[in-house]
Amino acid sequence: GAGVSQSPSNKVTEKGKDVELRCDPISGHTALYWYRQRLGQGLEFLIYFQGNSAPDKSGLPSDRFSAERTGESVSTLTIQRTQQEDSAVYLCASSLVGGGQSYTFGSGTRLTVV
Amino acid sequence: DQQVKQNSPSLSVQEGRISILNCDYTNSMFDYFLWYKKYPAEGPTFLISISSIKDKNEDGRFTVFLNKSAKHLSLHIVPSQPGDSAVYFCAAGAGNNRKLIWGLGTSLAVNP
Repeated sequence: GAGVSQSPSNKVTEKGKDVELRCDPISGHTALYWYRQRLGQGLEFLIYFQGNSAPDKSGLPSDRFSAERTGESVSTLTIQRTQQEDSAVYLCASSLVGGGQSYTFGSGTRLTVV
Repeated sequence: DQQVKQNSPSLSVQEGRISILNCDYTNSMFDYFLWYKKYPAEGPTFLISISSIKDKNEDGRFTVFLNKSAKHLSLHIVPSQPGDSAVYFCAAGAGNNRKLIWGLGTSLAVNP
């Protein structure tokens, strides 16, 4: 597609439930990133996929968070047993390989845990 | 430890005047820097970048200045317009490491 697509755009879930967020990157972009932004905060790195390399999971806040990517296409971010502090906008971005290349972000998924 | 710092959480400017957003970094390995703009309920969008081999890059009303010795960069918007009101993020990267390091953002309000 023309841009990075994320779904759903909004998700309200009960505490303790699992949620799955989806990201469709720009075709041909081998790098894919997940970030989250809590209210009033900056961008918090979660995970980074680059081609077939092992993902950089250094930003995942707990083992309740996991992400997968199928080849160089769709990625899903799964949050198990959601907590209220997981409420945030989850942003996905993709980019071409190479230093200096800018990211293209999706519009995000606003997750609210009640 | 914040490697990329945007020390001003907010800035208010009059329409037509210059907006100057600042960013400081600590890692001397960073060799490219980017500015992103974010409107509410949207993802950040790329605005302008600069490589460490340059000290200035200009694109229309937007100019980014880089002072490597001071580990400081700034984004100048002139003239500022109400539509520029957004949160501006500074980000830095090194070599082919694609994981950018982000500042916390500066919220710019341009008043008519």
